Amino acid sequence: AQKVTQAQTEISVVEKEDVTLDCVYETRDTTYYLFWYKQPPSGELVFLIRRNSFDEQNEISGRYSWNFQKSTSSFNFTITASQVVDSAVYFCALRMNSGNTPLVFGKGTRLSVIA
Amino acid sequence: DSGVTQTPKHLITATGQRVTLRCSPRSGDLSVYWYQQSLDQGLQFLIQYYNGEERAKGNILERFSAQQFPDLHSELNLSSLELGDSALYFCASSVSGQLPGPNYEQYFGPGTRLTVT
Repeated sequence: AQKVTQAQTEISVVEKEDVTLDCVYETRDTTYYLFWYKQPPSGELVFLIRRNSFDEQNEISGRYSWNFQKSTSSFNFTITASQVVDSAVYFCALRMNSGNTPLVFGKGTRLSVIA
Repeated sequence: DSGVTQTPKHLITATGQRVTLRCSPRSGDLSVYWYQQSLDQGLQFLIQYYNGEERAKGNILERFSAQQFPDLHSELNLSSLELGDSALYFCASSVSGQLPGPNYEQYFGPGTRLTVT
């Protein structure tokens, strides 16, 4: 079975601090896809990144970076120099490349950035 | 703005009633997914349609049903509503829903917040 675990339920940081959100996944498939979504207080789900299982290259986009490590089944998300606008719930999700299984989400991590 | 639209934004109704939630996918997307977000269950997949046909089913109750129309918009019907059905219902769309194959990211609509009283 597929499973995504986000062990951190809530994180609170002061503005300009760096913060890492953890994501650990479980799957028996060799090909799969990992995602991060952001849910701000307004409620919509915003797509942030997709990572394919065969591409372990880390990615940086502005203040956001992602560390994918197949050896530990982790796909962690780091925000550098956090800002108040980063306050949101962040979801990690997994999708297989076989069978009819759409996104499996973790429970989410609520990030509060305090000014 | 993801390009996925959902109506209505909010819905308040009584137990036992029936409601219909509507979703229009992004232009060009053939696949539509419905998800339910509740405090206790988190984000759960309900059902997927691809080009008018049901493609996958998740934790969808028998009281719930959905369809995708020829113009690709989709409707989620919830009947015999219970207090526990109160949740945020999301629709998402993607270019392709066919598996195996490329897994294009899913873009989510703003959601419909359903409150059952």
